Amino acid sequence: NAGVMQNPRHLVRRRGQEARLRCSPMKGHSHVYWYRQLPEEGLKFMVYLQKENIIDESGMPKERFSAEFPKEGPSILRIQQVVRGDSAAYFCASSPETHSYEQYFGPGTRLTVT
Amino acid sequence: AQSVTQLDSHVSVSEGTPVLLRCNYSSSYSPSLFWYVQHPNKGLQLLLKYTSAATLVKGINGFEAEFKKSETSFHLTKPSAHMSDAAEYFCVVSDSSYKLIFGSGTRLLVRP
Repeated sequence: NAGVMQNPRHLVRRRGQEARLRCSPMKGHSHVYWYRQLPEEGLKFMVYLQKENIIDESGMPKERFSAEFPKEGPSILRIQQVVRGDSAAYFCASSPETHSYEQYFGPGTRLTVT
Repeated sequence: AQSVTQLDSHVSVSEGTPVLLRCNYSSSYSPSLFWYVQHPNKGLQLLLKYTSAATLVKGINGFEAEFKKSETSFHLTKPSAHMSDAAEYFCVVSDSSYKLIFGSGTRLLVRP
């Protein structure tokens, strides 16, 4: 049973470009969560999604950031017009429907904005 | 609002000696508490979780943690450190049923 998969593992973007991060949850998991880890800090919750629904996006910056989890395919975290402050590790987690606190994390995508 | 405080940003121990990583939490109701470990450039791995069952929780790799409500603490311990334990450790409290709130982390260094 494969774990949570994220790609790419490393992403370099110039200021103003778009970054697109992908997350495939564990098999049988229908809940996806995105977290951001700034250097030397703990992870911060960004958004919680179920298939085709955003449940809680209270941790998402109001502009430039969006997330989706379509009926088919991976969850996508999109950052438009990236700035240096977006440089961070972005982690995706998934959970089974009945135990949403049991979150299994992917290896993360390290975004560097130059 | 729920929060978690990891009292030490760095802990250094010798191989074979006990490990103690301290964590205090703040919660308005009975929380779910977790410890995660992050090895360099890797994802997070769940070490153990407390969800209102036994107060002494055993996890993987010989780690355990004790939930003490009177002290609002959830310290992580291991009797004997191994070189492979060197990593960043995060104490986590669950807000509602899904939002995980992370502490700032404790970096464990194990000296040979």
